[in-house]
Amino acid sequence: GAGVSQTPSNKVTEKGKYVELRCDPISGHTALYWYRQSLGQGPEFLIYFQGTGAADDSGLPNDRFFAVRPEGSVSTLKIQRTERGDSAVYLCASSPGVSSEAFFGQGTRLTVV
Amino acid sequence: DAKTTQPTSMDCAEGRAANLPCNHSTISGNEYVYWYRQIHSQGPQYIIHGLKNNETNEMASLIITEDRKSSTLILPHATLRDTAVYYCIVRVTGGNQFYFGTGTSLTVIP
Repeated sequence: GAGVSQTPSNKVTEKGKYVELRCDPISGHTALYWYRQSLGQGPEFLIYFQGTGAADDSGLPNDRFFAVRPEGSVSTLKIQRTERGDSAVYLCASSPGVSSEAFFGQGTRLTVV
Repeated sequence: DAKTTQPTSMDCAEGRAANLPCNHSTISGNEYVYWYRQIHSQGPQYIIHGLKNNETNEMASLIITEDRKSSTLILPHATLRDTAVYYCIVRVTGGNQFYFGTGTSLTVIP
């Protein structure tokens, strides 16, 4: 069956530009997570949605980062005024409920030049 | 705050059992132990999880000590495709985050 899909798989952008990263979760999964992974590090939590609402956004590093999930399915991670330090792989995961295991997508590799 | 301690790296001979340890001495009664792995350039893959009883599935076995302060993931017959970074994670029931830490880099040697 279809897993978590993330688009684009790679994104190169110039410093200062705005980017959007998309996540299509597994159908029916109510929980959705965004993580960021820098080279050589484990994934770092950014934000968690339960349905349409952000239940925990404590991992967002600053107000340049924002995420939405307007219909409780697809989610978009938005980064304003990108900086070179934002370069990383951005991972999305979904799960059927808060007590279930999460299934990850392949990630979007963002490079800010 | 990863709450777990794992060795940085391990080797295992192909066909042998790989035993990956994890310390979680501050684990709470309502926290599960999860294991994920990440093969190079892929997203993390769920392996197994447990609360206090040992668990087994088609991929691996999870052995949790009686005091729950440590656990071991066992891959019974390691193959070259099991080369990956393995993450041990503790997560509260109904919790909304998985804290990954830096994991153990397992290399299966032919």
